[in-house]
Amino acid sequence: NAGVTQTPKFQVLKTGQSMTLQCAQDMNHEYMSWYRQDPGMGLRLIHYSVGAGITDQGEVPNGYNVSRSTTEDFPLRLLSAAPSQTSVYFCASSRGGFGNQPQHFGDGTRLSIL
Amino acid sequence: EDQVTQSPEALRLQEGESSSLNCSYTVSGLRGLFWYRQDPGKGPEFLFTLYSAGEEKEKERLKATLTKKESFLHITAPKPEDSATYLCAVQAQGGNTGKLIFGQGTTLQVKP
Repeated sequence: NAGVTQTPKFQVLKTGQSMTLQCAQDMNHEYMSWYRQDPGMGLRLIHYSVGAGITDQGEVPNGYNVSRSTTEDFPLRLLSAAPSQTSVYFCASSRGGFGNQPQHFGDGTRLSIL
Repeated sequence: EDQVTQSPEALRLQEGESSSLNCSYTVSGLRGLFWYRQDPGKGPEFLFTLYSAGEEKEKERLKATLTKKESFLHITAPKPEDSATYLCAVQAQGGNTGKLIFGQGTTLQVKP
C-alpha cells in the first residue's frame, strides 16, 4: 500500500517557467489537499478537493491551479513560477464526509525557484 | 480569524526528562484537533485526534489532552527517537477534513 505518492521529490525552476507537481493516492480517499510549508509559517492550505470534479481555494491559492479528474490524482500547477513559490509542497488525502478523519501526507516536493 | 499557536518553538530535553508541548487555538467552533509528528525530509504522520474538552488519547510515551482553549502533548520519559517536529492542527465547525489550520510546530530534540 503506497499511500500518498508525490513526484518529483526535488525540482529547480527558473522564474517564469511552468510545471506540475504530481500527487496520487491509492486509498480511495475522497478528500485531497495541497499545502506549502515555509520556515516559521507552518503548513498553509493552497487548494483542496472534496471529490472528483470539485475543487476549492485554501488560504494561499494565488499562482496555483488544480484539477481533480479522478479520485486518485490531484496535480498542482504553477503557471509562471516566482521566487516566492520556493517552498516544500505536501499533498494529503483523507476519507470523505465530516467525520474528522486524519489526513495522510506524502513526503513532499522540494521546489526552488531561481 | 481562526488561529493555532504552538509553544515553545523548540525544546531540548535529556533522555528521560518529561515535558509538555502546548497548542492554543482560536476557532469559531472546534470540530477536531489533530496532532502530527514530522521527521526531517518527511511528511507529517498522524498521531491523535481529539474532539471535545476533557478528552485524552495515549500512544506509547505520548499523551494528548484537550481543553476549550488549548491542547497539550505530554511526553513521558522521552527517548532520542522521539526527536521530531510536532504539529498541531484544527478543523473548524463548517469545515471539512480537507481543510486544516496548522500551527508552526514545536521541534523537539531529546539527547541521550
